[in-house]
Amino acid sequence: QKEVEQDPGPLSVPEGAIVSLNCTYSNSAFQYFMWYRQYSRKGPELLMYTYSSGNKEDGRFTAQVDKSSKYISLFIRDSQPSDSATYLCAMTPDFKAAGNKLTFGGGTRVLVKP
Amino acid sequence: EAQVTQNPRYLITVTGKKLTVTCSQNMNHEYMSWYRQDPGLGLRQIYYSMNVEVTDKGDVPEGYKVSRKEKRNFPLILESPSPNQTSLYFCASSSWQDNSPLHFGNGTRLTVT
Repeated sequence: QKEVEQDPGPLSVPEGAIVSLNCTYSNSAFQYFMWYRQYSRKGPELLMYTYSSGNKEDGRFTAQVDKSSKYISLFIRDSQPSDSATYLCAMTPDFKAAGNKLTFGGGTRVLVKP
Repeated sequence: EAQVTQNPRYLITVTGKKLTVTCSQNMNHEYMSWYRQDPGLGLRQIYYSMNVEVTDKGDVPEGYKVSRKEKRNFPLILESPSPNQTSLYFCASSSWQDNSPLHFGNGTRLTVT
């Protein structure tokens, strides 16, 4: 079983809808949680970054972390065709720990149709 | 503009022919790392460097070498490439002392025939 599970999709929604993405994980040591967006032929681009449990909002994006359930979510409001991309969740126990390694989910492909 | 720059973007080579993928960052980050991305396997760390002259293995280091002689550069070396190293490679950097997440380059698509 993978340490971080993420539905590969594709997730197809009409323009203006709310996109709901999530990841589950098994390692209770994870403390830092990130969402990256990756367009085709591009590198992952950091969208949201949260520490421990709670919510964080940035424009149309909201990230939620529920450490008790080992479950994180990303919501995209008023979705646009330009939001069509693959969304990767990533997490780590501590950036300062040796390796600073991020453990990634496999990514969810999102298609926003005009 | 703050960025991580990889070269080349695309590379096709033959088995056994040594190659180097370069990576440079202009953010004065201490930490740099290489990942490979494969369908169904996601992103996996190959090597990382906490600072100049300090490097260590990630999860999938076999067949790769790295060096960190300068803070801004972190080349990935394949001494004898094999077809199973056909993949999409990403270099990343961060200021780990500030607990900041990774910033990625735009990737190098390598095909080994």
